[in-house]
Amino acid sequence: EAGVAQSPRYKIIEKRQSVAFWCNPISGHATLYWYQQILGQGPKLLIQFQNNGVVDDSQLPKDRFSAERLKGVDSTLKIQPAKLEDSAVYLCASSLGRGGASYNEQFFGPGTRLTVL
Amino acid sequence: DAKTTQPPSMDCAEGRAANLPCNHSTISGNEYVYWYRQIHSQGPQYIIHGLKNNETNEMASLIITEDRKSSTLILPHATLRDTAVYYCIVRVAYSGAGSYQLTFGKGTKLSVIP
Repeated sequence: EAGVAQSPRYKIIEKRQSVAFWCNPISGHATLYWYQQILGQGPKLLIQFQNNGVVDDSQLPKDRFSAERLKGVDSTLKIQPAKLEDSAVYLCASSLGRGGASYNEQFFGPGTRLTVL
Repeated sequence: DAKTTQPPSMDCAEGRAANLPCNHSTISGNEYVYWYRQIHSQGPQYIIHGLKNNETNEMASLIITEDRKSSTLILPHATLRDTAVYYCIVRVAYSGAGSYQLTFGKGTKLSVIP
């Protein structure tokens, strides 16, 4: 079974530039998550999709971050314009999203390491 | 969701059991304990979860105290590949919209030493 795919793996940009990250979840997974992981900290949830709808984006800095999940499959996270403090690893995860189950395991991609200069 | 407390780091000799503690003294009756780990330069990986009974799978065992205020993740025979940051997370199993969200702390950095 193929895992969660993310690209690019690394990105270096200057502040005020724009950047986009792509995620392809595991086939059949309805729920997709984007996390931000700053060095030395645990991942922090930015946004959660159920199919192509947003379930929770309460921690997404909406003045500069945006995300979409067209057709309920692939997703794109964009930052425009980037700030120095956006330097982090951006992780995508997916899960079956099966309601009522005791747990839906989240499967994570390898992440995209963003450096903002 | 209840908060957790984990030691920032631990060492374990290769081949020995690694016992990673987690305190969750404010856990509620419907909250589960989940463990994930993150190997360097990879995304987190699910290990195990439990409610009140001890659990075991091919990766690890989870021991939850009777009062459920603390738990221990046990890697029975640690190898160098088990070197990682281990996260203990406490949350309800399902809560409708927004369910299955994970709130990660800083975790415990386990170093397995040859």
